[in-house]
Amino acid sequence: GAVVSQHPSWVICKSGTSVKIECRSLDFQATTMFWYRQFPKQSLMLMATSNEGSKATYEQGVEKDKFLINHASLTLSTLTVTSAHPEDSSFYICSAPGTYSYNEQFFGPGTRLTVL
Amino acid sequence: LAKTTQPISMDSYEGQEVNITCSHNNIATNDYITWYQQFPSQGPRFIIQGYKTKVTNEVASLFIPADRKSSTLSLPRVSLSDTAVYYCLVGVEDTGRRALTFGSGTRLQVQP
Repeated sequence: GAVVSQHPSWVICKSGTSVKIECRSLDFQATTMFWYRQFPKQSLMLMATSNEGSKATYEQGVEKDKFLINHASLTLSTLTVTSAHPEDSSFYICSAPGTYSYNEQFFGPGTRLTVL
Repeated sequence: LAKTTQPISMDSYEGQEVNITCSHNNIATNDYITWYQQFPSQGPRFIIQGYKTKVTNEVASLFIPADRKSSTLSLPRVSLSDTAVYYCLVGVEDTGRRALTFGSGTRLQVQP
């Protein structure tokens, strides 16, 4: 149980275009999901907390107009990188928390974004 | 924001016990300490979680001292497949705000 999927697993796009990444909880409902970004050989950095039916909460330094988050249902959250630039190239990972604490999270497999 | 720090890398041999420590001075009072394993180009995978003293499951043990400012993940008898990056995750208190923070990660290399 507690499987989280992401789509696509990788994407290459041109600078200036927008890219949408989907995060789905396959066998459970998730009112909250987290979005992380991970640069090569670095730790995971929390970007935002996605809340079903309400606005996402963004971490300091993360541009909410650039990284649009929509938590449309109890099993789907999407992250749209708008007007992508090469510096947005990274590994984007979503997760959903377990039942008892936010520390126990179930992670998706990640999406590798490369912006040319 | 105070960092949650770990050794950058560790080397070991198959069959040995490996202990990885995470320092988290600003851990939030009621927060758990959780450890994850990550292979290249994959999402992290949950290993173990604890609040205080010692927790053990089928793959690892977690030791947490009374002040909870650090924690040690213990992997008994590692194998080649344990080669990965290991992260601790804690809630950290900073200027009245609690933030879930991953440690800097420890790259474990297991040799035959």
